[in-house]
Amino acid sequence: AQSVSQHNHHVILSEAASLELGCNYSYGGTVNLFWYVQYPGQHLQLLLKYFSGDPLVKGIKGFEAEFIESKCSFNLRKPSVQWSDTAEYFCAVKDTDKLIFGTGTRLQVFP
Amino acid sequence: EAQVTQNPRYLITVTGKKLTVTCSQNMNHEYMSWYRQDPGLGLRQIYYSMNVEVTDKGDVPEGYKVSRKEKRNFPLILESPSPNQTSLYFCASSLDTSSYQETQYFGPGTRLLVL
Repeated sequence: AQSVSQHNHHVILSEAASLELGCNYSYGGTVNLFWYVQYPGQHLQLLLKYFSGDPLVKGIKGFEAEFIESKCSFNLRKPSVQWSDTAEYFCAVKDTDKLIFGTGTRLQVFP
Repeated sequence: EAQVTQNPRYLITVTGKKLTVTCSQNMNHEYMSWYRQDPGLGLRQIYYSMNVEVTDKGDVPEGYKVSRKEKRNFPLILESPSPNQTSLYFCASSLDTSSYQETQYFGPGTRLLVL
């Protein structure tokens, strides 16, 4: 069955630290991958997406993700986090008529 | 402004009392969907609709109904709510799902508590 795994459930960082959030997927078809962010009290917003081509995808707010097919991974990275990056981050894979989401990673950034 | 709206944003109800959560989008999107978000489980799809009068079950449809009489609206109906339906609900829409590049746009969420 198709699935998405996010192994980091809760990450705590200081400002300026580097971030990498793991995402692994299991999917049999053409892979379309997404990272969504949910700031406290807000709805989900798209950070970035991968469909084809360059496996290194750049998104908004300085985030990027790398699609590594051999590892079935799509990890999210940011070289220097800010307090405003405190949020919950969801990885998702598109499956025909829906998105399959991971369980999310809560990121807390302290000044 | 292009957006997906949901009402109400917060709702407290009692077991068995029918309720409806509305969802509306102003982007002329064909595809609409409902998800519920629960701690440790992420978002799970309840129902989706490919177009007017076309709806289908998602992963967790039990206890829910939907309808799609107009393109812009996709209400979620709980005929007899139970405490296990206490959750945060999100409506989403996209232009269609035939293009794999299509992005889903999410509403602000409805937090439901069933006592």
